[in-house]
Amino acid sequence: DAGVTQSPTHLIKTRGQQVTLRCSPKSGHDTVSWYQQALGQGPQFIFQYYEEEERQRGNFPDRFSGHQFPNYSSELNVNALLLGDSALYLCASSPLLAGGNQNEQFFGPGTRLTVL
Amino acid sequence: EDQVTQSPEALRLQEGESSSLNCSYTVSGLRGLFWYRQDPGKGPEFLFTLYSAGEEKEKERLKATLTKKESFLHITAPKPEDSATYLCAVQRNQAGTALIFGKGTTLSVSS
Repeated sequence: DAGVTQSPTHLIKTRGQQVTLRCSPKSGHDTVSWYQQALGQGPQFIFQYYEEEERQRGNFPDRFSGHQFPNYSSELNVNALLLGDSALYLCASSPLLAGGNQNEQFFGPGTRLTVL
Repeated sequence: EDQVTQSPEALRLQEGESSSLNCSYTVSGLRGLFWYRQDPGKGPEFLFTLYSAGEEKEKERLKATLTKKESFLHITAPKPEDSATYLCAVQRNQAGTALIFGKGTTLSVSS
């Protein structure tokens, strides 16, 4: 049973560029959440997608946007990159209506983004 | 404002030396409290969910407990492979399922 997968593993960009990160949820899960984890900090909630719509959003600017596809996979887009966007970006999936405990979120390995 | 505070920030133990990690929280209406383990450069690995004061859960050498203001993660006779950062997170009622994390406690166990 495949867990949550993310791509790419690492990414280096320069200030002002745009980036797209990808996530495939755990089999049987239909909800995807994205988190940003700066070095030495706990993850911070960016937003959550369910039924291809943004369901909940944390305190992040509009430069951060996302999308969910019919197969439940998701993308995180960040425009106009800043140095402070350098972090580990984590995707988590949970089974909202697919059965199981909707409160429990399972994380992928993350994408390490470095902005120069 | 919702807040999760973990202590200590770092903990060094000898193999077999039991100890506890603390997670204190301030949240308006707790739905659940979660413990995760995170190895360097990897995503958090789910350990436990606790929902009500007095609840306890165990897994191998780990035991999590919950009161109305804090949670403890007890580690009994730790081994070097227990070395990792342990993260605590809460979910708030009527606020979706977003997790609010603490900064974590980094545990190092030496043989």
